[in-house]
Amino acid sequence: GAVVSQHPSRVICKSGTSVKIECRSLDFQATTMFWYRQFPKKSLMLMATSNEGSKATYEQGVEKDKFLINHASLTLSTLTVTSAHPEDSSFYICSARDRDGSYNSPLHFGNGTRLTVT
Amino acid sequence: SQQGEEDPQALSIQEGENATMNCSYKTSINNLQWYRQNSGRGLVHLILIRSNEREKHSGRLRVTLDTSKKSSSLLITASRAADTASYFCATSDTGRRALTFGSGTRLQVQP
Repeated sequence: GAVVSQHPSRVICKSGTSVKIECRSLDFQATTMFWYRQFPKKSLMLMATSNEGSKATYEQGVEKDKFLINHASLTLSTLTVTSAHPEDSSFYICSARDRDGSYNSPLHFGNGTRLTVT
Repeated sequence: SQQGEEDPQALSIQEGENATMNCSYKTSINNLQWYRQNSGRGLVHLILIRSNEREKHSGRLRVTLDTSKKSSSLLITASRAADTASYFCATSDTGRRALTFGSGTRLQVQP
């Protein structure tokens, strides 16, 4: 089955530093990847849609200068949390759909990244 | 904003019992999907039901969809302790590639 690898799985950083999270589709190509954020015992909130070769589309209320997304290839998207603050601490999950997949195909998820900002 | 609400928020049952989770949504959809999430992990796709389907089965899973009521249910039969997880419904809206997730149901299956 389709595999999405997300790295790192856990990161602790100090306030003011930047953290990069990688999301790779291992056995399929994805023109679009999605970044979600999840608070404890809560649902997933879509942050942005990452488009290969073009700018990401951000959801309302998500600061694009704070959450930088780069989708440089058909198998890699990165999310960089810039100048991290404790309120950015959360669980970040990426997902992707095969480029040949229609709306009626499932998303494949990475295992998430637990970010803790001290 | 959240598309869907799920109930119950939490459900605790004994092994062997059936578990039913419900999901409501607000907009027109292409399909509705159910995902499972173990604690601190990513989501795993369970089943997808298209907007023109009313019921679908996969192993011990049964999903129903009522587009007139904008609701869906997930039934897990003969539950096992390994079914303990959070379950989310997610909708694919017309013209939108991302999924919108419901609030989730935390299922605890006691051995």
